[in-house]
Amino acid sequence: GAVVSQHPSWVICKSGTSVKIECRSLDFQATTMFWYRQFPKQSLMLMATSNEGSKATYEQGVEKDKFLINHASLTLSTLTVTSAHPEDSSFYICSAFSGESDTQYFGPGTRLTVL
Amino acid sequence: AQSVTQLDSQVPVFEEAPVELRCNYSSSVSVYLFWYVQYPNQGLQLLLKYLSGSTLVESINGFEAEFNKSQTSFHLRKPSVHISDTAEYFCAVKGSSGSARQLTFGSGTQLTVLP
Repeated sequence: GAVVSQHPSWVICKSGTSVKIECRSLDFQATTMFWYRQFPKQSLMLMATSNEGSKATYEQGVEKDKFLINHASLTLSTLTVTSAHPEDSSFYICSAFSGESDTQYFGPGTRLTVL
Repeated sequence: AQSVTQLDSQVPVFEEAPVELRCNYSSSVSVYLFWYVQYPNQGLQLLLKYLSGSTLVESINGFEAEFNKSQTSFHLRKPSVHISDTAEYFCAVKGSSGSARQLTFGSGTQLTVLP
């Protein structure tokens, strides 16, 4: 099946620093990738939709200047949390859309803890 | 726009007993339906999906779900559960037309299999 990787799997950083999370589709090309945030014992909240070669589309309430998304190639999208604060601590999950199977495949997630 | 309702937030069940996780959806257009499973501190794994054809779909580990258009349901069932099935299960829906349509998730159901 299609595989999506995320790196790092967990990160701890100081308040005010920036953190970059990578999302890769390993065996298929993904023109569209999605970034989600998940709070403990809750469902996934879509943050933004990332299209290769164009600007990301952010959901209402998500600060685009704080959560920078770059989709530079058909297999890589990055999410940068700028000037992170403790309230940004969360589980971030990416997914990549496979047009061949019309299915989203999810990465294993990145646990961000901001001290 | 679509919405998904998972009425049961928690389902405890004894090992080798049958289980049903309920999922109802609403949509003004034709939809594709998905069940994802999430183990602790991991991303989502696709369990099974309905795109078209037979309304009964099966996974490799014994789960099955039936698309019922008249009742707008896509309940997940397994005749005999194992301890290893303990996880969070998410039902998701998306429109079947257009490209790279985003998923809408239910709130999740925590399945706990007891020995």
